[in-house]
Amino acid sequence: EAGVTQSPTHLIKTRGQQATLRCSPISGHTSVYWYQQALGLGLQFLLWYDEGEERNRGNFPPRFSGRQFPNYSSELNVNALELEDSALYLCASRLGRTGSEQYFGPGTRLTVT
Amino acid sequence: AQSVTQPDIHITVSEGASLELRCNYSYGATPYLFWYVQSPGQGLQLLLKYFSGDTLVQGIKGFEAEFKRSQSSFNLRKPSVHWSDAAEYFCAVGGEIYSSASKIIFGSGTRLSIRP
Repeated sequence: EAGVTQSPTHLIKTRGQQATLRCSPISGHTSVYWYQQALGLGLQFLLWYDEGEERNRGNFPPRFSGRQFPNYSSELNVNALELEDSALYLCASRLGRTGSEQYFGPGTRLTVT
Repeated sequence: AQSVTQPDIHITVSEGASLELRCNYSYGATPYLFWYVQSPGQGLQLLLKYFSGDTLVQGIKGFEAEFKRSQSSFNLRKPSVHWSDAAEYFCAVGGEIYSSASKIIFGSGTRLSIRP
């Protein structure tokens, strides 16, 4: 069974540009979560999508947005990039039922110069 | 408010020694508890999880954790560490999937170093 996949592996952008990160969940998983892991800051919850809808978002500005497609894959968009957006962005998927754990992808390393 | 505290930022143990990583949580309902491990530059891998039942949970790679409701703790243990256990360890708590608190909350992590 294929795990959670993310693309691209690395992404280099300049300040002010837009970045698009993609995530494909494990087959059968309907929930997708996005986290930002900046150096020394642990995992910061960004967004949660389930069944195509945004269910919850963390304490991030509106320039962080995303969507979930009918096949449950997801996209994270970061507009007007700032230097402090440089981080590892992790996607996780989860079965849509109580208590199930999250399965993580390898992440996308975003570098803003 | 829901929270997870990992009081140890960095721990160093000798190879072959025993290990205990601490985790305390605050959660208003029945918690679902997890331990994840992250190798440098990688995603997170689930080590073990607790939903209900036996409070001593066995996981992969020889790890175990004990849920102590009275202490709001879910400490991770391993009787003898290997050099390959050097990584970052995250404790997490979650709840009912469709409640407003359903997102899984992660602790800030404990970095484990192994002394040869």
